[in-house]
Amino acid sequence: SYGLTQPLSVSVALGQTASITCEGHNIVGKFVHWYQQKPGQAPVLVIYRDSHRPSGIPERFSGSNSGNTATLTISRAQAGDEADYYCQVWDYSTYVVFGGGTKLTVL
Amino acid sequence: EVQLVESGGGLAQPGGSLRVSCAASGFTFSDHHMDWVRQAPGKGLEWVGRVRDKDNSYTTDYAASVKGRFTISRDDSKNSVILQMNSLKTEDTAVYYCAATSPSAGAFDIWGQGTTVTVSS
Repeated sequence: SYGLTQPLSVSVALGQTASITCEGHNIVGKFVHWYQQKPGQAPVLVIYRDSHRPSGIPERFSGSNSGNTATLTISRAQAGDEADYYCQVWDYSTYVVFGGGTKLTVL
Repeated sequence: EVQLVESGGGLAQPGGSLRVSCAASGFTFSDHHMDWVRQAPGKGLEWVGRVRDKDNSYTTDYAASVKGRFTISRDDSKNSVILQMNSLKTEDTAVYYCAATSPSAGAFDIWGQGTTVTVSS
C-alpha cells in the first residue's frame, strides 16, 4: 500500500518561511493536496493539485511537487498559521491516503 | 451558504451499529463524490470511504479497516449521504467528517464540522 511521510513538527519564526514536506514513492506522479486543521476544527483545503490555491487562501501558501517529495511552503508566517497540516494523494490501490500530519509552531 | 452538517453520532457498544448522516446545502451535491474521513482522539486523519456520483454509477470504495463493516450510500434527491457502521470496534472511536470532492480540484474542498462516535462498553 502507498504511504506518505511527514515530519511530526516544524517550527518557524514569526514572519519567516516554513516548509513542510510530504514524502512518497514517486509522488511527482500524483496530485498532492494539503489541508490545514486548527484545534477543534474541521480541516480546510489550502493547496490542491500540487500548487493551486482555493479562493480565499492567502498567496503566502504555495506548494510544489518533485521526485519523491512534495512541499507546502508558508511565507511570512503568522501566529494564525499555527495548525496541523496534512498532505493527501489518491492511489489506485489504497484510494485516499493522508500523511501523518505536521504540527506547525510559529515562534 | 455552502455547508455539510453531520448528525447521528453518539455512544455504541462493541459489536453494535450506528448510523451517521450528512446533509449538504449551497452547492450542486449531485456533481460531487462524497467521502467520510475520521480522526481518532489525538491522531491524524484517516479516510473511511467514498460514494461516487451518478456519472460513476454511485460506486463505493472503503478503507481496509472498515471494509465489510461500513456502508456508504447517498440520496441525491435529499442532498444527503449516510454512513452505516456495523460490527463496531473500540478502535472506531473517532470524530467522523463528511467531505465533498471538488470535481475540478479532485480534493476535499468542503468539510462538515464532524460528529463524534464513541464505541465503548
